[in-house]
Amino acid sequence: LAKTTQPISMDSYEGQEVNITCSHNNIATNDYITWYQQFPSQGPRFIIQGYKTKVTNEVASLFIPADRKSSTLSLPRVSLSDTAVYYCLVVGDTGRRALTFGSGTRLQVQP
Amino acid sequence: AAGVIQSPRHLIKEKRETATLKCYPIPRHDTVYWYQQGPGQDPQFLISFYEKMQSDKGSIPDRFSAQQFSDYHSELNMSSLELGDSALYFCASSSPREHTYEQYFGPGTRLTVT
Repeated sequence: LAKTTQPISMDSYEGQEVNITCSHNNIATNDYITWYQQFPSQGPRFIIQGYKTKVTNEVASLFIPADRKSSTLSLPRVSLSDTAVYYCLVVGDTGRRALTFGSGTRLQVQP
Repeated sequence: AAGVIQSPRHLIKEKRETATLKCYPIPRHDTVYWYQQGPGQDPQFLISFYEKMQSDKGSIPDRFSAQQFSDYHSELNMSSLELGDSALYFCASSSPREHTYEQYFGPGTRLTVT
């Protein structure tokens, strides 16, 4: 599976839009990109997944350029409760669904 | 909506003891996954089951074993516990829909080995 690289940490303020970019240069044709959020001592929580272009749901947007070598998770108008670790994962459409977590991005939202 | 249930939530064991963690997936979910997250670490995949058969294996020590039962609940058995086994153990489940990688994680079992 493609290795992912994302910033170790980010800081933001309440009400701002936060964009977290993840690089996955070796993504394969059948791979999907998915993002999870994790609060301390809680299980990861699915945020969004995509294959190409743009995907939007009620909590976030995911932007994937045409070459799919990177993706950007966009969180609109963050609040203090968005302080968490965000993981970018590449998952293969090969039947194996186990998630391989790399080092996530620790987002700190300040008042 | 029903979520993944894990028991116990906390467990304290001594070195060389055994432990059994239980997981009850969301109804009609056919795949169960086990993950281990050490202090300050990222979650690491241990093992998964699809329709009661082992489907994938990650970095699970030989001292650990797991199975999924006819009612789809799963148990992770850990023997000869070591201090390094102290971690949060998460169970997750997923549904058989195609092209979705959404896994639903339970609240975890915090295992402390002393």
